Amino acid sequence: DADVTQTPRNRITKTGKRIMLECSQTKGHDRMYWYRQDPGLGLRLIYYSFDVKDINKGEISDGYSVSRQAQAKFSLSLESAIPNQTALYFCATSPGQYIPQHFGDGTRLSIL
Amino acid sequence: DQQVKQNSPSLSVQEGRISILNCDYTNSMFDYFLWYKKYPAEGPTFLISISSIKDKNEDGRFTVFLNKSAKHLSLHIVPSQPGDSAVYFCAARSHSGGGADGLTFGKGTHLIIQP
Repeated sequence: DADVTQTPRNRITKTGKRIMLECSQTKGHDRMYWYRQDPGLGLRLIYYSFDVKDINKGEISDGYSVSRQAQAKFSLSLESAIPNQTALYFCATSPGQYIPQHFGDGTRLSIL
Repeated sequence: DQQVKQNSPSLSVQEGRISILNCDYTNSMFDYFLWYKKYPAEGPTFLISISSIKDKNEDGRFTVFLNKSAKHLSLHIVPSQPGDSAVYFCAARSHSGGGADGLTFGKGTHLIIQP
């Protein structure tokens, strides 16, 4: 069983639609993260959360919002999707700041 | 402006030989460095890390070297095996205040192990 599960794995949608990507974990980690990867580039941080009541913006948060519904669940929303948000999205978890993050297998999102 | 740079998009190495992947950084606030390995259609998998108080960390076939004065780190894989063929990402964490968290990644190096 995957420790960090992302749903859906693939999604194709149209410009202007609202999209939600979901992440759930069974590792019991407090910290959760959302990253985006574009072709030929490294991962970039969108949002991170230390616990249910602590949400923080990352490097590229514009156009995105998040919700930490429970310790185990962290969702990423695109309120009105645009084509340049087409990318691979990764969720990650960690139990602490100097402990490696553990990643899910990603969601491939295409916005037409 | 890229704070973590992997200047080699790809690297080809013969099976059994040493693979050396390089990474440079510009932010002097980085104090924790990691290497991740990524296969297609999977998420990055943690490989090895090093704190800025050390200059070397070893785990089996993998060794990471950190040169703080040069703001450079490298990953050595010895001996290289076919299963090592993947994209390798260098990542760093800053100890800046304000509770900031998250990793800064390089663009990755595609390592190809030739039989």
